Amino acid sequence: DAKTTQPTSMDCAEGRAANLPCNHSTISGNEYVYWYRQIHSQGPQYIIHGLKNNETNEMASLIITEDRKSSTLILPHATLRDTAVYYCIEKAAGNKLTFGGGTRVLVKP
Amino acid sequence: SAVISQKPSRDICQRGTSLTIQCQVDSQVTMMFWYRQQPGQSLTLIATANQGSEATYESGFVIDKFPISRPNLTFSTLTVSNMSPEDSSIYLCSVDGGAGTYTEAFFGQGTRLTVV
Repeated sequence: DAKTTQPTSMDCAEGRAANLPCNHSTISGNEYVYWYRQIHSQGPQYIIHGLKNNETNEMASLIITEDRKSSTLILPHATLRDTAVYYCIEKAAGNKLTFGGGTRVLVKP
Repeated sequence: SAVISQKPSRDICQRGTSLTIQCQVDSQVTMMFWYRQQPGQSLTLIATANQGSEATYESGFVIDKFPISRPNLTFSTLTVSNMSPEDSSIYLCSVDGGAGTYTEAFFGQGTRLTVV
């Protein structure tokens, strides 16, 4: 079973930052926090991952709390194309991905 | 990154028949996985396709229903056998290089299966 907890859905305004929370209170020391998204009718797409430090790439930023029990994915300037289901997943290197329910994000004009 | 091609992209099948889905990767990868996504649901892992040995199935999935082949490091097939309408789902192939190659998993675009 998935070990992360995410809100079922959220709306955000186009052009504004979208902040997606995730709780992973039972994360192990060797597990990373991964974020994927699935746009309708497509396969999941990797966004970003981190262990304990904050990470940023061209798609998003990942903020991990010091105790590693929660994290926030930040889409800095949400566009309509960011409408998708976003999955937060704990995963150790070499292990399989276990998907939870994710957060259904709707970006509105 | 790895590019994954899945065939067919969609199919409509009669109940009682079988469908084999192909997954081709453009590079050698250590780990290949098959997932099922039922309508409106999240992804559920069916099995890990092991090169040169039998696949490792997750709880609730059996080899007789979902036989898997992995003849080399770039190719795998999943067969959905003796189909019923409950098998109508999207089936996705995924690859992960494991600890030594890629740090993230890549997914095919999926095979949308409808059983009538």
